[in-house]
Amino acid sequence: EVQLVESGGGLVQPGGSLRLSCAASGFTVSSNYMSWVRQAPGKGLEWVSVIYSGGSTYYADSVKGRFTISRDNSKNTLYLQMNSLRAEDTAVYYCARADLSSSAFDIWGQGTMVTVSS
Amino acid sequence: QSALTQPASVSGSPGQSITISCTGTSSDVGSYNLVSWYQQHPGKAPKLMIYEGSKRPSGVSNRFSGSKSGNTASLTISGLQAEDEADYYCCSYAGSSTFGWVFGGGTKLTVL
Repeated sequence: EVQLVESGGGLVQPGGSLRLSCAASGFTVSSNYMSWVRQAPGKGLEWVSVIYSGGSTYYADSVKGRFTISRDNSKNTLYLQMNSLRAEDTAVYYCARADLSSSAFDIWGQGTMVTVSS
Repeated sequence: QSALTQPASVSGSPGQSITISCTGTSSDVGSYNLVSWYQQHPGKAPKLMIYEGSKRPSGVSNRFSGSKSGNTASLTISGLQAEDEADYYCCSYAGSSTFGWVFGGGTKLTVL
């Protein structure tokens, strides 16, 4: 079965760090475009970051310099290292696969909640 | 990286049709035929409903259709059903400017 399962969310103080994981099954992370998308409470979806199959990485301006996307091919797992966290980073974080030809997010995880608060 | 513009809410009665617009710029919606639409029920992950502007993934009802003209994309839902009540988001690849994606602000569909 093709699926994504996120983990690693939780409560963290402002300025703190957190690493999210996204374990994939049924397909190979390294052969696909993998992204993180977040949704603040009661708000819309916001694209956060992507790692392309070739390894290139890109970020939304709101997280550039603070977040790092990576993958472990041996574990078929995607990561998001989040540093210098701010209150406005509070959100449900989804990992998603973007189809190689259409660039549409065709597979989504269930999401993991990150709360930044003192 | 400005969000695409969608109406905050739309409504319709069962059996009717509604259309949700999504306006971007020449750097995203207007540059690529890579607009997608997502349905999200409360507490659930988004679900892909339309890709490449007008194509439906396997399993998505043919009551859902998409189109694009210039910098504006549209999602039409015909024969409204109670289970269509949800939030809908458009999304466009914006590679030339961000090498990433941009979402719309979302539209709450209410089935009266």
